[in-house]
This record gives sequence, C-alpha cells and structure tokens, in this order.
Amino acid sequence: DAGITQSPRYKITETGRQVTLMCHQTWSHSYMFWYRQDLGHGLRLIYYSAAADITDKGEVPDGYVVSRSKTENFPLTLESATRSQTSVYFCASSVGWGSNTEAFFGQGTRLTVV
Amino acid sequence: TQLLEQSPQFLSIQEGENLTVYCNSSSVFSSLQWYRQEPGEGPVLLVTVVTGGEVKKLKRLTFQFGDARKDSSLHITAAQPGDTGLYLCAGRADRGSTLGRLYFGRGTQLTVWP
Repeated sequence: DAGITQSPRYKITETGRQVTLMCHQTWSHSYMFWYRQDLGHGLRLIYYSAAADITDKGEVPDGYVVSRSKTENFPLTLESATRSQTSVYFCASSVGWGSNTEAFFGQGTRLTVV
Repeated sequence: TQLLEQSPQFLSIQEGENLTVYCNSSSVFSSLQWYRQEPGEGPVLLVTVVTGGEVKKLKRLTFQFGDARKDSSLHITAAQPGDTGLYLCAGRADRGSTLGRLYFGRGTQLTVWP
C-alpha cells in the first residue's frame, strides 16, 4: 500500500532494553522525521533526515539513534529504554523543507517502558 | 520552552456554535500550518498560510495568519460533531540554524456535542 507505515503499532518493553521502531514510506520523499507526542508537550522533533545517509538532531535527541541507509526507511532505536521514553512516536515524511511543504504522518507507535 | 502557544487547550461546545482557536508566538515563521489529528491516527494537514495577513477558507473553517507572521487563528462556524479532534498549529522556522524546521503547538482538543 502507498503511504507511510509504522511498526509496531503498540510495544511494551522493559527499562534498559533496546527497541527499534520502524518507518517505511513509498513516496520517495527526501525528508523523514521522528516526533514524539506527550500530553502537555505536543509534538517534539527527535531526529530528521534530509536524504539517505544524512541525519540530524531535533529538539529531543538524547537516548535515541537513527539511521537511513535507504530513502524509504528511517528506523528509530532506543538504545537503553527509560520510563521517560514512554510516549507515542510518529514518523513523517515530506518532499522538502520549504514553506508550503506538507508533512505526511504515519499512524504512530505507542511505546510503553515498564 | 514552547515556541508556539495554543489556546484554549480544551474546548467543549454544542453543535451549531462558533469557536476560535489561537496560536501565538514571539517568533516569526515563514509559514504556519494547521493539522487535525483523530484518536489513534497521525496529524493530517488542513491548511498552510504563508503571507502575513493571509486568510484561507476551507468550508466552515477560516484560517488567518497574523500580519507579522507570528500568530494564527482558526475559526469554525456552526461546528459539527465531525469537527471533533485535536487541532495542532505548526510554524516553520524562518531563519538561523533551525531554518525550515516545523515547531508544533501543544494542540487544542475540540469536542462538539450533538
């Protein structure tokens, strides 16, 4: 199916474990993003990528690692999960970075760290 | 520190009423976007305003960008239960090291009762 898909939709993990959230888009968009959404904070940018092999930090990058070896995939890894990383994670993609650019979001992954 | 302040945070109204949601900042943005998010889904773009003073209408929704490109408003006329959702404003950074980055407000949760 065309679009942007995230997996898994729901994940429960234990403190200290490594967990990877997957994101796949079929539009060949150059830009991809990871956001986290928390009550009281709205959406905050974790990492973004302008193209394959080009990534950069957002507002809240600590504790996260990303890679982008292929244009269509942008996995997010929590190296050692903490309870403060319990959140809903959204992946997004866009054709560019300009004023009129629309960001297309996945359905989100609800991550609970116990 | 939240770059974009949205108000009100919650809004509960009866079908047929009018409402306005505000999005304010001390920063200038190259554009301002409004997204709508439903439970269990990612945000979906409603509109982008680019020019200071710009007004855009989408059926019963009216969006305005402030003259100084620091604030925006969303007005809904004769709200319907189908308008229920989380409304997010997002400003695109105008300059500096974060040029082009999208910053989100905390959102306004709108509930329209039949």
